[in-house]
Amino acid sequence: EAGVAQSPRYKIIEKRQSVAFWCNPISGHATLYWYQQILGQGPKLLIQFQNNGVVDDSQLPKDRFSAERLKGVDSTLKIQPAKLEDSAVYLCASSTSGNTIYFGEGSWLTVV
Amino acid sequence: QKEVEQDPGPLSVPEGAIVSLNCTYSNSAFQYFMWYRQYSRKGPELLMYTYSSGNKEDGRFTAQVDKSSKYISLFIRDSQPSDSATYLCAMKGIGGTSYGKLTFGQGTILTVHP
Repeated sequence: EAGVAQSPRYKIIEKRQSVAFWCNPISGHATLYWYQQILGQGPKLLIQFQNNGVVDDSQLPKDRFSAERLKGVDSTLKIQPAKLEDSAVYLCASSTSGNTIYFGEGSWLTVV
Repeated sequence: QKEVEQDPGPLSVPEGAIVSLNCTYSNSAFQYFMWYRQYSRKGPELLMYTYSSGNKEDGRFTAQVDKSSKYISLFIRDSQPSDSATYLCAMKGIGGTSYGKLTFGQGTILTVHP
């Protein structure tokens, strides 16, 4: 069974530029998550989708971050404009029942 | 106060040692407890998943939950260099604002040297 796929794996951008990350969850997983993991910290939930509806986006900085999950499968996370403090790993994860969450390898963002 | 506290370490042990990793939490709504292992430049992978208080064993790994003390532990027996990674505790609730949301500890960096 294929795991959670993410791209790009690495991205370096200048502050105030924009960036987009793509995620393809495990087939059949209705729940999709985007987490932000800053170096030396545990992952923090940014947004949770159930099919193509948003369940929780309380910690998403909506002035600069946006996410969508069209057709309830793939998802895109966008940051515009980026700030230095957005340097982090952006982890996509998916689950069925919500109890076992499977993570992708992450998209590493460096903002300079 | 953070909902989940985890000693970041780093922890360095010789091969074959018993490793103890711990987390405390403050939110009584947390009912599901997990341990994830994260290798460098990789995403977290699920190691152990528990619901009730007590011990759960899987090979060299034992997860322990004490809900009365709001304390969870992961023990690794006969540690190997391949166990060198960051270990993250994670938990979620079944109701209220914590429902469906996985809250992580900071992670403990473990190095097992030959």
